[in-house]
Amino acid sequence: RKEVEQDPGPFNVPEGATVAFNCTYSNSASQSFFWYRQDCRKEPKLLMSVYSSGNEDGRFTAQLNRASQYISLLIRDSKLSDSATYLCVVNAGGSASKIIFGSGTRLSIRP
Amino acid sequence: ETGVTQTPRHLVMGMTNKKSLKCEQHLGHNAMYWYKQSAKKPLELMFVYNFKEQTENNSVPSRFSPECPNSSHLFLHLHTLQPEDSALYLCASSQAASGSYEQYFGPGTRLTVT
Repeated sequence: RKEVEQDPGPFNVPEGATVAFNCTYSNSASQSFFWYRQDCRKEPKLLMSVYSSGNEDGRFTAQLNRASQYISLLIRDSKLSDSATYLCVVNAGGSASKIIFGSGTRLSIRP
Repeated sequence: ETGVTQTPRHLVMGMTNKKSLKCEQHLGHNAMYWYKQSAKKPLELMFVYNFKEQTENNSVPSRFSPECPNSSHLFLHLHTLQPEDSALYLCASSQAASGSYEQYFGPGTRLTVT
């Protein structure tokens, strides 16, 4: 089992739809979780941190499920500009060497 | 925009060449990172520096040699690379290297080894 696993997609949804995807992690000791977005041929940019209590930022909601070892990202009222690859990042310990990036989930919003 | 700059943005080099990638962060961070991103593969952490000290070397071949003269600058010296080293090389910085802090990435250097 991969340390951090994401459905590669692509998720192809119409504008205005709600879309959600998950990221599973194998190390139960994982402590920090993040979602990044990466546009084609650009660098990753932080979308949001994922806290134990969840996190909401406008149309984006991130949740952590420790029991089942996954984090989720929900996008409401999707926009064309949401088209990107969404990277899940998990830190399994206190040092930077434990930072693991998922392969990403590709999202495409159609008009 | 990101506060992390990288030069050059594109680099083509032969297997016998020596070149260097440069990264500079203007965010006042104390940790800097080098990542490799190959097509259809997740980002691979290569090196981590915290307060100018190298804290991680994730089994990277010696043909990649990092240098961190201060907390704001990071270099990656390249020599005798192989074609499979062609990739996007990303620099990032964070407040500290604990793994709990979000990272800010530079635009990357797209490297092609011929």
